[in-house]
Amino acid sequence: GAVVSQHPSWVICKSGTSVKIECRSLDFQATTMFWYRQFPKQSLMLMATSNEGSKATYEQGVEKDKFLINHASLTLSTLTVTSAHPEDSSFYICSARDLLGPNNEQFFGPGTRLTVL
Amino acid sequence: AQSVTQLGSHVSVSEGALVLLRCNYSSSVPPYLFWYVQYPNQGLQLLLKYTTGATLVKGINGFEAEFKKSETSFHLTKPSAHMSDAAEYFCSMNYGGATNKLIFGTGTLLAVQP
Repeated sequence: GAVVSQHPSWVICKSGTSVKIECRSLDFQATTMFWYRQFPKQSLMLMATSNEGSKATYEQGVEKDKFLINHASLTLSTLTVTSAHPEDSSFYICSARDLLGPNNEQFFGPGTRLTVL
Repeated sequence: AQSVTQLGSHVSVSEGALVLLRCNYSSSVPPYLFWYVQYPNQGLQLLLKYTTGATLVKGINGFEAEFKKSETSFHLTKPSAHMSDAAEYFCSMNYGGATNKLIFGTGTLLAVQP
């Protein structure tokens, strides 16, 4: 149980295009999902907290207009990197909190590798 | 300020040797602490967690960690390393109250030598 998927697992795009990454909780409902960014050989940095049916809460320094987050259902959150540039290349990981599980535990997706040319 | 510090960005052990990965935290409230493992190009897998109760926590794959409040530590250990343990390990702490945000240490890359 408690499986989180991400799609795509990797994507290569041209500079200036937009890329959408999906995060799904497959066997549980998640009112809260989190989006992280991980640079090579570095730790995870929380970008934003996504709550179903409401606006995401972004961490300081994260551009809301660049990283659009939508959490339209209890099993799906999306992150859209708008007008991507090479500096946006990174590993993006989402996590989800089980609505019915311990409120302190997050389940992580496998990550999405974004490369912007 | 709340923070998580992992001492040693790289740790190398021989197969069969003891694994010790260090984690210290700083928190103004009782923390929830976690250890995650990450294999290359994959997401994070929970090894174990401490919330309340018993301070010695056992996790998957033979790992365990002990919460020591007096030392503000949560070190991860395994008695005998296996080649498959080679991965990146992250210590993290829940710091966000109702939002349950996680703050991560910088990670420790564990290498296991044959």
